[in-house]
Amino acid sequence: QVTLRESGPAVLEPTQTLELICSFSGFSLTTSQMRVAWIRQPPGKALEWLARIDWDDDKFYNKSLKARLSISKDTSKNQVVLTLANVDPDDTATYYCARLRPNFFGSGSCFDYWGQGSLVTVSS
Amino acid sequence: DIQLTQSPSSLSASVGDRVIISCRASQTVRTWLAWYQHRPGTPPKLLIFDSSSLESGVPSRFSGSGSETEFTLTINSLQPDDFATYYCQQYHGFSPTFGQGTNLEIK
Repeated sequence: QVTLRESGPAVLEPTQTLELICSFSGFSLTTSQMRVAWIRQPPGKALEWLARIDWDDDKFYNKSLKARLSISKDTSKNQVVLTLANVDPDDTATYYCARLRPNFFGSGSCFDYWGQGSLVTVSS
Repeated sequence: DIQLTQSPSSLSASVGDRVIISCRASQTVRTWLAWYQHRPGTPPKLLIFDSSSLESGVPSRFSGSGSETEFTLTINSLQPDDFATYYCQQYHGFSPTFGQGTNLEIK
């Protein structure tokens, strides 16, 4: 059974760095074709993909946020960590981690399992 | 980045109705397109992948079609649980993007 769960601060002040942890079970990021991503949804707005990390440690970022984002994994703990530097109120959102559906024929994939989401508010 | 435009943005329908939601891509995504159902307070749920493949456990009243730049999600015989927001997502390449969403409301 695949599960994912996000954890991190609920409130941050502008200019701080957001660190979110995705703890998962039911699969391993050492297995070929396993990938985990972060996606966020600001209140009342659409979903926005942020970053992805693959089983072979390849990393991909949303171009508009790349300068502020970092993604990493700890395979011994089954965790993926996302950091977002220099936050501002526009970064207020529910942040989700999700597993990419294994796709042996393409460079990307859709998201078949999601965490419940972590609401992060940036406010002074 | 590939832009996805969904239509309509909102839709009112009744239980038992058939609804169709469209998703247009700014350039070809072949059949690398998925559909999600999103209810408030819960994570998005994958319904359709690869344009027309039904995710395991999803009722057969949901179906998807299309290729290249034009895609549709059809929901037959709407049930009360189906009133939610629906998103399309493309995964052609390394930068996935989502549509702006279609809010399906009860008439």
